[in-house]
Parts: sequence; C-alpha cells; structure tokens
Amino acid sequence: DTAVSQTPKYLVTQMGNDKSIKCEQNLGHDTMYWYKQDSKKFLKIMFSYNNKELIINETVPNRFSPKSPDKAHLNLHINSLELGDSAVYFCASTPGMKGAPQYEQYFGPGTRLTVT
Amino acid sequence: RKEVEQDPGPFNVPEGATVAFNCTYSNSASQSFFWYRQDCRKEPKLLMSVYSSGNEDGRFTAQLNRASQYISLLIRDSKLSDSATYLCVVNKKGGSYIPTFGRGTSLIVHP
Repeated sequence: DTAVSQTPKYLVTQMGNDKSIKCEQNLGHDTMYWYKQDSKKFLKIMFSYNNKELIINETVPNRFSPKSPDKAHLNLHINSLELGDSAVYFCASTPGMKGAPQYEQYFGPGTRLTVT
Repeated sequence: RKEVEQDPGPFNVPEGATVAFNCTYSNSASQSFFWYRQDCRKEPKLLMSVYSSGNEDGRFTAQLNRASQYISLLIRDSKLSDSATYLCVVNKKGGSYIPTFGRGTSLIVHP
C-alpha cells in the first residue's frame, strides 16, 4: 500500500553517464514534484507537474529532464552526470490542483545518487 | 535575505524540556505554511499545518505572525523520539504555488 514510491533507492554511477529515476504515486493526486536534497540537507524544488503538464521549472541545468507519462508517474532523467549531482532526490505528490497551497505533500523514500 | 530562514541548531535539550523554533520568510505574499519533520536518512513528513489563528496538536503548537513574517513551532514535554530535523515550508504564489523549504532545525533530545 505504498503511497509514493521511487526506484531505484540507491544509484552509484560514474561521471558522464545518463541515468533515470522513476516515481509513482497511487494516491490519485494531481500534482507531483522533484526535489534535490544536497549534503547540507537543503531541500530544493526542481520541477512540478500537474496532470502531465509542467508547472514549475526552477533554475536547473538542462541536463535534467522530467517526464510525466500520466498523472501517477513522474520520472527524472539526468544526462552527463557530474560530481555535483550527488544528492538525495525526492519525489512528492499533493492532491491540490497546480500545487494548491493548503494541501500537504507526500514524499517518496528518496533516491540516493552518488556520482564518482 | 534567504526566502525561508531557520536556525540550523542543533538544539540539544533534555527529555521533558520545552523547545521553540522560529522560521522567517521574505515573501509577504506567501499563502500557506507548514512544519515537516525529517528523520535521519528518511523522507520529510508533515508534522502540522500552520493557521493564522495558531493551532495545537498534542504537545506541538504552531503560530503564524504575518506582520513580522515568521512562523514558530513549540514542542512541550520533549520526548527522545522527537529528535529529528524540523523543516519549515512556505508556499509562495508564482504561476503556481511554489513550496520553499527552510534548511531545517536539528533537535536532539537526550535522557
């Protein structure tokens, strides 16, 4: 009965590789997010989709490309990985339309990416 | 000034103590406010929403001061299990609502 799931949980890869992280929510929520939490524990929003439409695109290198095949899934593809991409990536969802502010977010368990 | 600021701590308190955290935000048009809790190597989870009139949930009390642009979290009768990082979240209005997290305040409750 997992609400928000992410795969893989751990990802170790070399610089220059391309990798994807997948996220799925079974809560029926309309809005999904990707966050990056760096080594200093700062959680920063990267992207948000509302029912397959990109609604938030913060200042993120264009090596990062989100994709939402349907409203229950939001994947993150990263090209040409760099050392600075090492972080924990969290997916989250919320029932609000376009991230309506009164609703809480539900987070996945995170994907710990290590680039060597 | 950062959009959402928190004292990173750590706050090191004995069991039973009362501890308070503050969080300041810079955007006066911010719409909604939350406190999340994050345990080590885990995902953030909602602790409580923060309402204009203030709200209480057991040992936890949250307050909002829009004039001074800060929110607070008070924990009474601290338990060992309260040890965690407490994240302040502010939703600001852009084209959509954009959640902005503070860096978090670390709480360590010791016996």
